[in-house]
Amino acid sequence: AQKVTQAQTEISVVEKEDVTLDCVYETRDTTYYLFWYKQPPSGELVFLIRRNSFDEQNEISGRYSWNFQKSTSSFNFTITASQVVDSAVYFCALRILTGGGNKLTFGTGTQLKVEL
Amino acid sequence: DGGITQSPKYLFRKEGQNVTLSCEQNLNHDAMYWYRQDPGQGLRLIYYSQIVNDFQKGDIAEGYSVSREKKESFPLTVTSAQKNPTAFYLCASNVRAGGGETQYFGPGTRLLVL
Repeated sequence: AQKVTQAQTEISVVEKEDVTLDCVYETRDTTYYLFWYKQPPSGELVFLIRRNSFDEQNEISGRYSWNFQKSTSSFNFTITASQVVDSAVYFCALRILTGGGNKLTFGTGTQLKVEL
Repeated sequence: DGGITQSPKYLFRKEGQNVTLSCEQNLNHDAMYWYRQDPGQGLRLIYYSQIVNDFQKGDIAEGYSVSREKKESFPLTVTSAQKNPTAFYLCASNVRAGGGETQYFGPGTRLLVL
């Protein structure tokens, strides 16, 4: 069975601090996809990134960066110079391609609070 | 604009009542999904449909029913058999089944029991 663990329930930082959100996943499949979504207070999930299991290159998009390490089954998300608008719940998710109907398995989310 | 719409934004259910949540997409996506979100928890899959006139149960299908008569629409009915329906319901879709395509989500419907 697949599992995604986001051990950090809530993180509070002061604006302009860097913050890393952890994500650890479990799967026996060799082909899979990992995702990060942002859920602002409005409730809608906003897609941030998708990474497949064969691509371990780290990615940077503006203030956001992602570190994928298959050796530790982790897909961590770092926000550099955090801003108040980054306050949201962030979800990591895993998708396998065999037998699961292509569903997403979500972690329980990390609530990020960025204060002035 | 292309996107996923869900209605209503808030829905109130009385005891013993069936209620239907609407999900419509104009993205020409084949696959559609319904998730339930409870406070402090991740999303859990209720039902999904990979093509028209076909759907499968997810992890928590009991007390729910769906239909997929049109590609654009995937309504979810919360039946009276669902004893704890209060939650945030999210609909999602992706281009096709079978692959790592990104799922895009609608704005959600918050269901409350009176």
